[in-house]
Amino acid sequence: EPEVTQTPSHQVTQMGQEVILRCVPISNHLYFYWYRQILGQKVEFLVSFYNNEISEKSEIFDDQFSVERPDGSNFTLKIRSTKLEDSAMYFCASSELISTDTQYFGPGTRLTVL
Amino acid sequence: AQSVAQPEDQVNVAEGNPLTVKCTYSVSGNPYLFWYVQYPNRGLQFLLKYITGDNLVKGSYGFEAEFNKSQTSFHLKKPSALVSDSALYFCAVRDGAGNNRKLIWGLGTSLAVNP
Repeated sequence: EPEVTQTPSHQVTQMGQEVILRCVPISNHLYFYWYRQILGQKVEFLVSFYNNEISEKSEIFDDQFSVERPDGSNFTLKIRSTKLEDSAMYFCASSELISTDTQYFGPGTRLTVL
Repeated sequence: AQSVAQPEDQVNVAEGNPLTVKCTYSVSGNPYLFWYVQYPNRGLQFLLKYITGDNLVKGSYGFEAEFNKSQTSFHLKKPSALVSDSALYFCAVRDGAGNNRKLIWGLGTSLAVNP
């Protein structure tokens, strides 16, 4: 069964450093998403991406964040200058084009900012 | 504003007994409702969804959920719980009326099934 994969599973970084979180969506999916979950809090939407551009973003997704589909398979989330409060579990998801389709999630990357 | 409430942090049930995990929602348009499950150190696995049609939807692993528009609820149920059902369960909603696809999530309910 096809699945979303994410690397790395755990990333530790120093405050102010740049990090790139990587995701490989399900191959025939066209919509991609990033969510995050700070420990003990709700899962929060960050951004959706379709046709090589951002479709929607939340207020969390400020200028420090960017997304890219650098090739035909990867989908990345970059945080330019990490803050302590960026420590969270980051989930990538993908779905088909049809608006009623389910979002399928990867296992997540746990980001720890020291 | 869209929101999801899962009123119980934890649900405990004996193996073989029926289980219910509660979810209520608020959305301005037509709700698209989802249940996901998270096992330790795993991602969010899709269980089932309600888009339209029959209010009772069936999903993976014997789970089902009932959409109740008047009570704005979408409770997850299973007739006979298994110890292996112990996990964290998340309810999520999106507004089906617009083009945005962001999911709004509940805080999650930890289900413990005791042998």
